Amino acid sequence: DTEVTQTPKHLVMGMTNKKSLKCEQHMGHRAMYWYKQKAKKPPELMFVYSYEKLSINESVPSRFSPECPNSSLLNLHLHALQPEDSALYLCASSQVYLQGSGANVLTFGAGSRLTVL
Amino acid sequence: RKEVEQDPGPFNVPEGATVAFNCTYSNSASQSFFWYRQDCRKEPKLLMSVYSSGNEDGRFTAQLNRASQYISLLIRDSKLSDSATYLCVVNAVGPGGYQKVTFGTGTKLQVIP
Repeated sequence: DTEVTQTPKHLVMGMTNKKSLKCEQHMGHRAMYWYKQKAKKPPELMFVYSYEKLSINESVPSRFSPECPNSSLLNLHLHALQPEDSALYLCASSQVYLQGSGANVLTFGAGSRLTVL
Repeated sequence: RKEVEQDPGPFNVPEGATVAFNCTYSNSASQSFFWYRQDCRKEPKLLMSVYSSGNEDGRFTAQLNRASQYISLLIRDSKLSDSATYLCVVNAVGPGGYQKVTFGTGTKLQVIP
């Protein structure tokens, strides 16, 4: 069982819907990440939160809105998505983010598979 | 040139075979290296870290060549359950001192009975 829990596992939404993806970890990690993965491609970084503050936004369209209510939770709010946004959305966490050695190991959740109609 | 490159495969090998994957990276400031495994429609999972001196975990051996900027993964005595996509992951300190995690495109392995 993964130590990073994501819900829902599957989501189908229309282009006018508003929905949210949720991620939770209880490993005491202080960095949390959202990745997007299309079929047969590697994960692409979207956002990084470090100590509940948004550290990195990889030029993600504003129809994706991240939120980190506390150190254990990470949400991704979705609004007015496009069919090309259909993908597997992966949440990950690591002990810290700002670290000179760059040695952090990512632990991934099982992902939320999103289909936009 | 991509920052982290892998041969996408697929590598089709018989059970019991030995197979090796390579991964090259372009950022000479990269500091740490990992191999992840991803099963079809599942999340990536850490297979092993890669240390400068090379390291082994059972049937899996990882090597790092900093001079040539590549890492490798050797799988001995392949099992059917080894069938997956193997992702090379490279960490570096990016702008502002933050960790930058870069994934390779992945190499697909299919072990055949």
